[in-house]
Amino acid sequence: AQKVTQAQTEISVVEKEDVTLDCVYETRDTTYYLFWYKQPPSGELVFLIRRNSFDEQNEISGRYSWNFQKSTSSFNFTITASQVVDSAVYFCALSVVPGGTSYGKLTFGQGTILTVHP
Amino acid sequence: IAGITQAPTSQILAAGRRMTLRCTQDMRHNAMYWYRQDLGLGLRLIHYSNTAGTTGKGEVPDGYSVSRANTDDFPLTLASAVPSQTSVYFCASSPELSDTQYFGPGTRLTVL
Repeated sequence: AQKVTQAQTEISVVEKEDVTLDCVYETRDTTYYLFWYKQPPSGELVFLIRRNSFDEQNEISGRYSWNFQKSTSSFNFTITASQVVDSAVYFCALSVVPGGTSYGKLTFGQGTILTVHP
Repeated sequence: IAGITQAPTSQILAAGRRMTLRCTQDMRHNAMYWYRQDLGLGLRLIHYSNTAGTTGKGEVPDGYSVSRANTDDFPLTLASAVPSQTSVYFCASSPELSDTQYFGPGTRLTVL
């Protein structure tokens, strides 16, 4: 079975601070995918990134960066110079390649509520 | 319009009533999913379909049924709603299973 843990329930920062959202996952599969989604106050789920288990290269997209470390089963998300518009709930998720009893479902963490104050 | 639409946006329903939540995508994705989102629990998969004509059970399928008559539509039915089914329901689709899933805007359902 797969499990995703986001230990930080809520984080509060002041604008322009850097903030890191932690994500730890569990799976016995060697091939899997990791995701981050953003859920702003409007409620929709916005896809941010997808990484496969064979690609541990860190990724940067503007103010967003992701650090994937298989050795610690972590896929952390950092926002640099946070802005008020970054306020949202952020979900980390995991899926494995369909096969056997797996059907490629996303297993979500509980989410981290990020509030960025002006 | 490219993407996923869900209807209704919100609904208040008496316990025991039957309700169908609609989901339509126009991206020609093969796989579709229904999740429910509850505070502190993240999103949990109810049912999924990897292609038209086939469906499967997710983590929390009890009390729900789905059908997939064609590629675009994936309705979720509550045969006899109960208060514990009060939740926000999200439909999602992906080109194939394990591909990136894209979500609809959600339906907020309250069962009294």
